[in-house]
Formats: sequence, C-alpha cells, structure tokens
Amino acid sequence: SQKIEQNSEALNIQEGKTATLTCNYTNYSPAYLQWYRQDPGRGPVFLLLIRENEKEKRKERLKVTFDTTLKQSLFHITASQPADSATYLCALVNNAGNMLTFGGGTRLMVKP
Amino acid sequence: EAGVTQFPSHSVIEKGQTVTLRCDPISGHDNLYWYRRVMGKEIKFLLHFVKESKQDESGMPNNRFLAERTGGTYSTLKVQPAELEDSGVYFCASNLAGGQDTQYFGPGTRLTVL
Repeated sequence: SQKIEQNSEALNIQEGKTATLTCNYTNYSPAYLQWYRQDPGRGPVFLLLIRENEKEKRKERLKVTFDTTLKQSLFHITASQPADSATYLCALVNNAGNMLTFGGGTRLMVKP
Repeated sequence: EAGVTQFPSHSVIEKGQTVTLRCDPISGHDNLYWYRRVMGKEIKFLLHFVKESKQDESGMPNNRFLAERTGGTYSTLKVQPAELEDSGVYFCASNLAGGQDTQYFGPGTRLTVL
C-alpha cells in the first residue's frame, strides 16, 4: 500500500542552525510534492511545490529537494528562527488525481 | 481577500446524533476539498467538488457521511449518525484550478463524539 513517512519525533535545533526534515514514500509515483506548515489550531499553509522532473526548489530561507530514485524529499530551513517552530507536512499528488496525500508531519522546535 | 472559513470551530456531540459542518471556500474557487485528521493519524482526503459536482469521493469512509455543495458555493458535510471513530479535525480546502494549484486550507472543525 502507499505510504508516506515523516519522522514522528520532534526535531529540536538551535536558532540560526539549518533544520532538515525528511519525507520518504513507497508504492507511489507522485507527479509533484508539496510542503506545508501547520500551527496548532490552524489548517496547513502551503510553502513549496516541487515537480517530479525538478531536483531542487528554493524560496527565501527554504529549500526542497526531490529524489524520485530514492523516493525522498528533503526540506531545509536555513538560519532557523523560533518563529519557524511548527509542524511541517509533506504531501504528494499523482498524475491521476487532485487530492493531496499527506505524511504524518514532523514537529520542529527552534530554541533561542 | 477572505480565506477559507469553517463553522463551527468545535463541536461536541453524543454518539448517534447528527452534526453538520460547513465550509465557505475562497470566493471564485471552483474546487473544494474535504479532509480529516483523526487522533494520531495523518490528514486524509475525503472528497473533492468541482463547482457543485462531486469529482472524487473515494475517501468518504461510509454512507453515514454526506457532502453537498448546492449552487457551487459553500459546502456542508453531514455525519448521521455519528460514531466515536468520527472524532477528529475536519479540514476544508479550496483552489481555483485544481490539479497542481495550491490548496488553501481552512482552520478546521474539531469534532468530538462522546
């Protein structure tokens, strides 16, 4: 069955360091992959989208990589700030559908 | 521009009762999606409307769930009768173009069935 795995343990890092979050998937051929941020009591907020034929995407302090051979995406936040503390979700969409298939999310805590 | 809104924010009902959740998408967005997150699990797709038509309802768990989008504007999701396992957070999202277009999520409705 299709599976999307994100590290369920919280990631604790010091302010100013780079946070790296992992998303692995199996039995899936996504057309593209998205990363969302979710704060407590709120809905997911879109951050970045990367297509299957793209290796890397950047937006300000954010960088996403997509390796379809390894079936993995890495999400990096450089120069992290306490305000970056949140749960980060990866989501896949295949060619056939419009729906998002989410991973369980990883909670990031950036300490000052 | 107003975002996606959902009502109520919280609902506590007893097993066997009926609950109706409402979603108002961003104005002009033809595509509307329902998702839910049950405790300890990932967010899962329920269904997708294009205007008033159900494009994909493959994620609806059973026939106790009924979604409507009359007139292609707001949508309702009714659970009747509610069961304990229906507890969770129900999210609505919308977008303009479907497909690869970004989905904009509402804040969710937290449903607790006792």
